[in-house]
Amino acid sequence: DGGITQSPKYLFRKEGQNVTLSCEQNLNHDAMYWYRQDPGQGLRLIYYSQIVNDFQKGDIAEGYSVSREKKESFPLTVTSAQKNPTAFYLCASRRDSANTGELFFGEGSRLTVL
Amino acid sequence: QKEVEQNSGPLSVPEGAIASLNCTYSDRGSQSFFWYRQYSGKSPELIMSIYSNGDKEDGRFTAQLNKASQYVSLLIRDSQPSDSANYLCAGPSNSGYALNFGKGTSLLVTP
Repeated sequence: DGGITQSPKYLFRKEGQNVTLSCEQNLNHDAMYWYRQDPGQGLRLIYYSQIVNDFQKGDIAEGYSVSREKKESFPLTVTSAQKNPTAFYLCASRRDSANTGELFFGEGSRLTVL
Repeated sequence: QKEVEQNSGPLSVPEGAIASLNCTYSDRGSQSFFWYRQYSGKSPELIMSIYSNGDKEDGRFTAQLNKASQYVSLLIRDSQPSDSANYLCAGPSNSGYALNFGKGTSLLVTP
């Protein structure tokens, strides 16, 4: 089955700790994305990557970092610099970098900072 | 700044009625729009995509795009309680490489 796998589904972190969220896709999609969702809010773009070894900041990149060393993988690190990291994090991919077509989403990772 | 706006609701309709969800967008040049359904605690799933002016039908769902008035709508016919969810409208981002999402409209279908 093709799809996007995010892990962990639930994560608790103490303040001041970095945490890395995993996102793996076997859809052979070129583009990958990270969004954040807060209660009552839409999705806000953190980072995106159109091709391997390249990524761009989205609207709320401060306090986050990413890498794209492999086509199928796009991990997100939430650093201690992120002031309010408790949120639902969604990874997505898109078939082509021509920027048409829908995004496919993973099941999400829910991060809670204690 | 490309923006997508939705009424947050909640929109309440009785079972069997037509639910009408609306979305407006700021960039006149935007070409493609998407409707996603999101159940509480779950990730969004695509319901409809629309790329040209007019209507597009898929089963109980109809998406409408009006470029002159810069709005997109989603009609759900014969609404079912299982349609109760948050519906997100999405259009092209500022860069064009991602999607901008509205805050979503909460739909409640009452038996």
